[in-house]
Amino acid sequence: KAGVTQTPRYLIKTRGQQVTLSCSPISGHRSVSWYQQTPGQGLQFLFEYFSETQRNKGNFPGRFSGRQFSNSRSEMNVSTLELGDSALYLCASFKDRVDEQYFGPGTRLTVT
Amino acid sequence: KQEVTQIPAALSVPEGENLVLNCSFTDSAIYNLQWFRQDPGKGLTSLLLIQSSQREQTSGRLNASLDKSSGRSTLYIAASQPGDSATYLCAVNNDYKLSFGAGTTVTVRA
Repeated sequence: KAGVTQTPRYLIKTRGQQVTLSCSPISGHRSVSWYQQTPGQGLQFLFEYFSETQRNKGNFPGRFSGRQFSNSRSEMNVSTLELGDSALYLCASFKDRVDEQYFGPGTRLTVT
Repeated sequence: KQEVTQIPAALSVPEGENLVLNCSFTDSAIYNLQWFRQDPGKGLTSLLLIQSSQREQTSGRLNASLDKSSGRSTLYIAASQPGDSATYLCAVNNDYKLSFGAGTTVTVRA
């Protein structure tokens, strides 16, 4: 069974640009969550999607947005990039909200 | 707001020694607790999931306990090996999102 895949794996962007990251969950999983990991703040919850609907949202500015498609694949978008957005972005895939969550390898975003 | 603390922040042991990693959380109204392993620059690998109704979960050399009322979980790794060197994170699921501790970085010396 294939695991969670994230593309691209590495990304370098300039301040002010926007970026889109993609996550494909495990087959059969309809829920996807996104997390940001930085050395200073650790892992922080961004948002959760189920059946194309955002069910939960963390405390991030509106520049961070996401969506989910009918095949459960999800994308997150960050507009007007800031240096502080440099981080490892991880997505998690799961069947139900109280089930085990499986993480992808992450996308390393560097903003210069 | 759920606060998750992991002690110690770092641990260095000789090969063969048992490891004890601690996790505490402030809000006991949780659905479950999950332990993860993270290698440098990589994603998270799930090790164990303990539902709120369970006291213990085992997988191979790993054993995790949960005391929900006191807000504590402990991960035991028996007979450590150099390949166990990694950062171990505990994550608490309440309000349908995971709150993570800062992790314990483990080094197992050959």
